[in-house]
Amino acid sequence: AQSVTQLDSHVSVSEGTPVLLRCNYSSSYSPSLFWYVQHPNKGLQLLLKYTSAATLVKGINGFEAEFKKSETSFHLTKPSAHMSDAAEYFCVVSAQTGSSNTGKLIFGQGTTLQVKP
Amino acid sequence: EPEVTQTPSHQVTQMGQEVILRCVPISNHLYFYWYRQILGQKVEFLVSFYNNEISEKSEIFDDQFSVERPDGSNFTLKIRSTKLEDSAMYFCASNRQGARGNTIYFGEGSWLTVV
Repeated sequence: AQSVTQLDSHVSVSEGTPVLLRCNYSSSYSPSLFWYVQHPNKGLQLLLKYTSAATLVKGINGFEAEFKKSETSFHLTKPSAHMSDAAEYFCVVSAQTGSSNTGKLIFGQGTTLQVKP
Repeated sequence: EPEVTQTPSHQVTQMGQEVILRCVPISNHLYFYWYRQILGQKVEFLVSFYNNEISEKSEIFDDQFSVERPDGSNFTLKIRSTKLEDSAMYFCASNRQGARGNTIYFGEGSWLTVV
């Protein structure tokens, strides 16, 4: 079975400093991995996705994530935090049956990012 | 940019009442989903729907739940007799190609409060 674990429930950074949100995954096959963001009172927005192409994935709003198979990690980073980045971030893996994605998503617990002025 | 829209944004209902949550998926999408997020918990998969039938459902999706695509544009989730524990944010989602088109687009959610 597939799963994701977000290692921090809450991360606080100062504006202009780097962001690191950590995610480890478990999957028997090469996974499809995603990061979604949820701003207050908003829906889930896709930040970026990894689907077995380049291991360094660039997303929207300056975020990127690196797929590291040896570490089973897919950490989300941004060089410089902005106040508008304050939100809930979800690491997500696509469920699989055998080697095929089912189209269903499995969410991590979420990490709340706080950005201080 | 096309988006998934959901109504209502918030509904309060009495325990035992029926609730219908509505969604309009992106127009050229063929695969539809409902997820829910109980306050403070993970986002959980409920059901996926393709070609006018359920393709997969979770243990949560029991006989109290049903989905329907009544008119080719709306996708609805019905809870027949709501319980307190059904209080949650319900997200509708869609994508174009199911497993092959991995980007799933979510709506802004419908907050259901059961009292």
